[in-house]
Amino acid sequence: DIQMTQSPSSLSASVGDRLTITCRASQGISNSLAWYQQKPGKAPKLLLYAASSLESGVPSRFSGFGSGTDFTLTISSLQPEDFATYYCQQYYDTSALTFGGGTKVEIK
Amino acid sequence: QVQLLQSGAEVKKPGDSVKVSCKTSGYTFTDYYMHWVRQAPGQGLEWMGWVNSNTGGTRYALQFQGRVTMTRDTSLDTVYVELSSLTSDDTAVYYCARRSGAVGTIYFDSWGQGILVTVSS
Repeated sequence: DIQMTQSPSSLSASVGDRLTITCRASQGISNSLAWYQQKPGKAPKLLLYAASSLESGVPSRFSGFGSGTDFTLTISSLQPEDFATYYCQQYYDTSALTFGGGTKVEIK
Repeated sequence: QVQLLQSGAEVKKPGDSVKVSCKTSGYTFTDYYMHWVRQAPGQGLEWMGWVNSNTGGTRYALQFQGRVTMTRDTSLDTVYVELSSLTSDDTAVYYCARRSGAVGTIYFDSWGQGILVTVSS
């Protein structure tokens, strides 16, 4: 299976901060990557797909970049509702979908 | 709007089986594959497999093969997952997730609210 490694596993930030989360694949996955946001007790919510395509209705402060093995999710100006856990997911290997371990974004 | 409504929480004993459901509405049921993803308490997301809502075809993650069955009922617009030989490691929230994307792409644009399955003696 393709292993997805996210860093950091957690971080503290303030409202208005710009933050970047990294996701690394154990092998090249082209741009076959999605990002999700999950709040406590809730299901994940799709933010981006194809590494950089914004899902309909998702604020433009979220952006994604990358191809091959290295990917980033950036929030340009952190809002109170953005404190959550973020997961990447590869779909290059459609017989074995895998997620990163998650990055928890907490209030500083 | 698209809705995926899952059945209620379950408590099972080791060795038991559990079957959970996911009733859909707001779209043409047979147009979309449905996947199942689980999340152990405090842990990350684990993909379990999919069911083709039209044909009933399935594909399961290797770690679940032999003890998972995914089915659908087109008359009820509902999908099911059944997991057998439960152990405490199967304690998790189980989500149904609708596959989005073109052929060859699999990500999930709609999710059920999740069902907590607890396995305890």
